[in-house]
Amino acid sequence: QQPVQSPQAVILREGEDAVINCSSSKALYSVHWYRQKHGEAPVFLMILLKGGEQKGHEKISASFNEKKQQSSLYLTASQLSYSGTYFCGTSSGAGSYQLTFGKGTKLSVIP
Amino acid sequence: SAVISQKPSRDICQRGTSLTIQCQVDSQVTMMFWYRQQPGQSLTLIATANQGSEATYESGFVIDKFPISRPNLTFSTLTVSNMSPEDSSIYLCSVALPTGVMGTGELFFGEGSRLTVL
Repeated sequence: QQPVQSPQAVILREGEDAVINCSSSKALYSVHWYRQKHGEAPVFLMILLKGGEQKGHEKISASFNEKKQQSSLYLTASQLSYSGTYFCGTSSGAGSYQLTFGKGTKLSVIP
Repeated sequence: SAVISQKPSRDICQRGTSLTIQCQVDSQVTMMFWYRQQPGQSLTLIATANQGSEATYESGFVIDKFPISRPNLTFSTLTVSNMSPEDSSIYLCSVALPTGVMGTGELFFGEGSRLTVL
């Protein structure tokens, strides 16, 4: 079942913060975040496992609330390079490398 | 990491024809997948390409329409058969490499093959 992402789109000025949410109606083992720039392949950002851990990657971090089956991606002090479409992908079990992706959140950072 | 090359990068095809997309990986990988991404849309898994055996298709995708070959651990092809305009999309080859975190893999994607069916 496809996870639901929100918002669908967001426009930020450089330096502003944003949160992208991903929720699922089924139990999840892991949540993956990818960023895709226009005309390019999606690029891996991070993986979160059930257990509520939070991970960070420079100024981009994420959390996973296992009880709510929700993950949030936090982008702080946004840069122009953050522009792109962010996808969450979910898997339901260990060793399940196939991901079901959400519809994506288009992030535009403007000067 | 993995470097994935896809051919063709784009093509314009006539209705009723078939096109084969090639995917070459720079290292041997076990898990290889084919995704479809319609313009501005999400990534939808078509199938898992299994080396030496038939591909495993997701709901809504069938072998007659999307035959897949996987002759070895570095190469796969996806054929889009009897194309219609609804098949216009970007087709992406992807491989999963274990992350070291139990039971999870990081997906690497090719640049995609953009097909337009007239």
